[in-house]
Amino acid sequence: GQQLNQSPQSMFIQEGEDVSMNCTSSSIFNTWLWYKQDPGEGPVLLIALYKAGELTSNGRLTAQFGITRKDSFLNISASIPSDVGIYFCAGQLPYYGNNRLAFGKGNQVVVIP
Amino acid sequence: ETGVTQSPTHLIKTRGQQVTLRCSSQSGHNTVSWYQQALGQGPQFIFQYYREEENGRGNFPPRFSGLQFPNYSSELNVNALELDDSALYLCASSQARRNTEAFFGQGTRLTVV
Repeated sequence: GQQLNQSPQSMFIQEGEDVSMNCTSSSIFNTWLWYKQDPGEGPVLLIALYKAGELTSNGRLTAQFGITRKDSFLNISASIPSDVGIYFCAGQLPYYGNNRLAFGKGNQVVVIP
Repeated sequence: ETGVTQSPTHLIKTRGQQVTLRCSSQSGHNTVSWYQQALGQGPQFIFQYYREEENGRGNFPPRFSGLQFPNYSSELNVNALELDDSALYLCASSQARRNTEAFFGQGTRLTVV
């Protein structure tokens, strides 16, 4: 199946710092989605990207859909304690009517006060 | 709050038993996908239902089966449970179109002993 590679696997950052994470794949995707998951909860959608090159912001979050359609990044600016969690990238395969998602393994973010 | 609800939230089953998990999709969404998330991993696509029919399947054996009802809610059934089936089972609802956002429920934590 499709493999999405997320790096780094875990990050420890000081409160107030910016953090950046990447997601790459050998496959082309139509849509990139970024999710945050807290322990014991389902993933919560943060940002959706639909066009190659698209740059989208949601508050302190900014994400971009790579030009090659094989990668995406997510930035969090001025981190706060509630940013702690696991961040997943997900790509939607280019099959109309079947919008299955392929997920990365996640980035664990820890914010140190 | 995504409007996607799953039940039960937790359950424990014995190896060899059968289990049924339930999902109510978000209002206005006609597609339900099921994912399995093992500890420390990203969600893995099991299958998707659209118009009460299976519409795409991941790399899971036939003992994983599902249903979708006219109100778009869905069930995931797993027969002959194995220890490795222990995981968080996530349901995601979406619209059946090419580029779409998928919203997840809180998941059902299944433990097989």
